[in-house]
Amino acid sequence: KQEVTQIPAALSVPEGENLVLNCSFTDSAIYNLQWFRQDPGKGLTSLLLIQSSQREQTSGRLNASLDKSSGRSTLYIAASQPGDSATYLCAVVNNDMRFGAGTRLTVKP
Amino acid sequence: NAGVTQTPKFQVLKTGQSMTLQCAQDMNHNSMYWYRQDPGMGLRLIYYSASEGTTDKGEVPNGYNVSRLNKREFSLRLESAAPSQTSVYFCASSDYDRGIDTQYFGPGTRLTVL
Repeated sequence: KQEVTQIPAALSVPEGENLVLNCSFTDSAIYNLQWFRQDPGKGLTSLLLIQSSQREQTSGRLNASLDKSSGRSTLYIAASQPGDSATYLCAVVNNDMRFGAGTRLTVKP
Repeated sequence: NAGVTQTPKFQVLKTGQSMTLQCAQDMNHNSMYWYRQDPGMGLRLIYYSASEGTTDKGEVPNGYNVSRLNKREFSLRLESAAPSQTSVYFCASSDYDRGIDTQYFGPGTRLTVL
């Protein structure tokens, strides 16, 4: 059974700092990996989708990497802003989609 | 486009009561999903519908039933609510099933079972 872990569970950084969120998974035979953002009391918004054949995807200040052999993905956020404060979840797809518990990010002005 | 809509937004039930959570999407997606999210845990798939007329169990289907009413609508029913079903429920939709492409999520229904 696929297990998805996100560390740390919470992270607080000052505005402007570059940061990395981590996602690890136990079964490397994945179809893709996705990163989502969840604002308090809201649904999930898709940020990036990395196919199993890809190493990374970029969107604006966000860069997600994938290393299937080690079972890891990272989400890099450059020049963080208070508006980036949210919970970030990763999800891996084998036969179905399995989510991590998320990292709650706070960016302080 | 409204995207994915869910009703109600909040609900309080007593143990043993029944209710139906409604979900609709206007993106002409083939696949729809129901998830639950509990504190400290990721989303877990309850049921999904890969296409109109089909439904399949996910990771945690016990205590729930679903109906894919048409291509737009996918409902989740709790026949006899239990406190363990207190959770936030999210509906999602996508073109292809089971995470092959991006899923779009509704705002959620916060359910409390007393």
